[in-house]
Amino acid sequence: SQTIHQWPATLVQPVGSPLSLECTVEGTSNPNLYWYRQAAGRGLQLLFYSVGIGQISSEVPQNLSASRPQDRQFILSSKKLLLSDSGFYLCAWSRSGGQPQHFGDGTRLSIL
Amino acid sequence: AQTVTQSQPEMSVQEAETVTLSCTYDTSESDYYLFWYKQPPSRQMILVIRQEAYKQQNATENRFSVNFQKAAKSFSLKISDSQLGDAAMYFCAYSGGGADGLTFGKGTHLIIQP
Repeated sequence: SQTIHQWPATLVQPVGSPLSLECTVEGTSNPNLYWYRQAAGRGLQLLFYSVGIGQISSEVPQNLSASRPQDRQFILSSKKLLLSDSGFYLCAWSRSGGQPQHFGDGTRLSIL
Repeated sequence: AQTVTQSQPEMSVQEAETVTLSCTYDTSESDYYLFWYKQPPSRQMILVIRQEAYKQQNATENRFSVNFQKAAKSFSLKISDSQLGDAAMYFCAYSGGGADGLTFGKGTHLIIQP
């Protein structure tokens, strides 16, 4: 069966520091991968998605970037965090043919 | 751009009763997918049910069923025999299919009264 791992679960970072969140999927090949952000009291917003190694599509211009160095690895990064980057970040995967999407357990990011 | 609207910020139901959560969406596409996700306090996003727009038959998963009205662009979730474990945020989501990401509504907080 397929599993998705996301870490860390919780992260507290100072403003201006860098960020790296990692997501890996097991049990499938060539998945579609996604990063979402959930601000307090709101629904999820799609940040990035990838259909293959090195292929990244950005949905919202912002202080973040994403990379896919391996088939089942998806990384969310920032060079300098802003207060507005606080939130709950979720990684998701789907089969290459499409839906549905399955989510990791998320990372709660707090910026001080 | 597609939009998803959940007009009920919060709903409350007695245990063992039935509750319906509303969702409307806007799209110019004819083929798409609709989903309901559950987010309990642990904040894990759990897929509850899915509906392909080309299917006329409403999807069902045990106590969960949907009322899909394509012409009205409406996609409501019915939970029968509500259980305490159903208490959570419920999000309606739209996808154009393929590798498209999900567009979410703002969610409905469901409270189950014992």
